[in-house]
Amino acid sequence: SQTIHQWPATLVQPVGSPLSLECTVEGTSNPNLYWYRQAAGRGLQLLFYSVGIGQISSEVPQNLSASRPQDRQFILSSKKLLLSDSGFYLCAWSGGGYNEQFFGPGTRLTVL
Amino acid sequence: DQQVKQNSPSLSVQEGRISILNCDYTNSMFDYFLWYKKYPAEGPTFLISISSIKDKNEDGRFTVFLNKSAKHLSLHIVPSQPGDSAVYFCAASADIGNEKLTFGTGTRLTIIP
Repeated sequence: SQTIHQWPATLVQPVGSPLSLECTVEGTSNPNLYWYRQAAGRGLQLLFYSVGIGQISSEVPQNLSASRPQDRQFILSSKKLLLSDSGFYLCAWSGGGYNEQFFGPGTRLTVL
Repeated sequence: DQQVKQNSPSLSVQEGRISILNCDYTNSMFDYFLWYKKYPAEGPTFLISISSIKDKNEDGRFTVFLNKSAKHLSLHIVPSQPGDSAVYFCAASADIGNEKLTFGTGTRLTIIP
């Protein structure tokens, strides 16, 4: 069966510090991968998606970037965090031509 | 522009009764719709979906209804149980295989024992 991992679970970072969140998927190959953010009291905002290694599409202009160095690894990064980057970050995968996306446990990021 | 709207941010229902969560969309290209359930500090879990070629899909206590002409879908939970208390998101996709989803802002459902 497929599983998706995210780490860390929680993170507190000062403004201006770098960020690296990692997501890995097991039990499937060539998945589509997604990064979402849920800000306080808001819905799920798609940040990035990837259909293959090195292929990244950005949905909204922002202070973040994404990379996919391996088939089942998706990384969310920032060089300098802003206060507005605080939120709950979710990684998801889909595959096989089906629209269902399956989410990881999420990372709670607080920027102080 | 919010293409998928859940106009009720919260809903309270007595245990055992029916819970009805609503969702409206504006993009006529959407042809596949999904409902997700989310507990605090966890990722959303997929509940049920429906293709635009159907107007109803049922899975146990969960039924999703789609009214394409009104661009409206609803999730019915019968009977409601305390474990159903969570935030529910509807989502829509414009192309099967595209797999990009547009999510609503969510409805917090509270089941009252």
